[in-house]
Amino acid sequence: DTVLTQSPALAVSPGERVTISCKASESVSTRMHWYQQKPGQQPKLLIYKASNLASGVPARFSGSGSGTDFTLTIDPVEADDTATYFCQQSWNGWTFGGGTKLELK
Amino acid sequence: EVQLVETGGGLVQPGKSLKLTCATSGFTFSNAWMHWVRQSPEKQLEWVAQIKAKSNNYATYYAESVKGRFTISRDDSKSSVYLQMNSLKEEDTAIYYCTWGVWFAYWGQGTLVTVSS
Repeated sequence: DTVLTQSPALAVSPGERVTISCKASESVSTRMHWYQQKPGQQPKLLIYKASNLASGVPARFSGSGSGTDFTLTIDPVEADDTATYFCQQSWNGWTFGGGTKLELK
Repeated sequence: EVQLVETGGGLVQPGKSLKLTCATSGFTFSNAWMHWVRQSPEKQLEWVAQIKAKSNNYATYYAESVKGRFTISRDDSKSSVYLQMNSLKEEDTAIYYCTWGVWFAYWGQGTLVTVSS
């Protein structure tokens, strides 16, 4: 299985720029997707195929990367962005990263 | 509006069975590749199973952790997908979501399965 590794947690101040990384154990081309999950809710698609903004998602969110290294950027961060962010690959089956919990200072 | 509604979760003893249902609307179900994804109490997401469309001979795929115990199926006439779970283990305890596509743009609210004696 393709293992996706994310940092467990980040803390930033509102208005700052934050980057959340996801590293794949093998190349997944650009088949990387990002989700936001708030407590008690289902995951919400933010970015698909590494850099494509999902419908209705604010332009503050962006994605980049290919191969094994991917990044989700939020700029600027708002209070409502407090959530856990998951990466997911669909190049070799489907696997998810462990999630990065974003907290606001 | 796309809707996915999962039902059938509950408390079940280890070794027993449970069948989940996902009723859908708002998209062309018969063409959709449907999935089940689960989220453990530790919040880890795990893909569980996929069933492709009729044009792909309803091919099915499973995570190794559930292969041989779980069966995914669909009824295009009811726009529904199912997950039959047999020989349940405590580690199957999770919220089970249905979703579709290659990237998962739509999710249901999930149904909680608790496996415990």
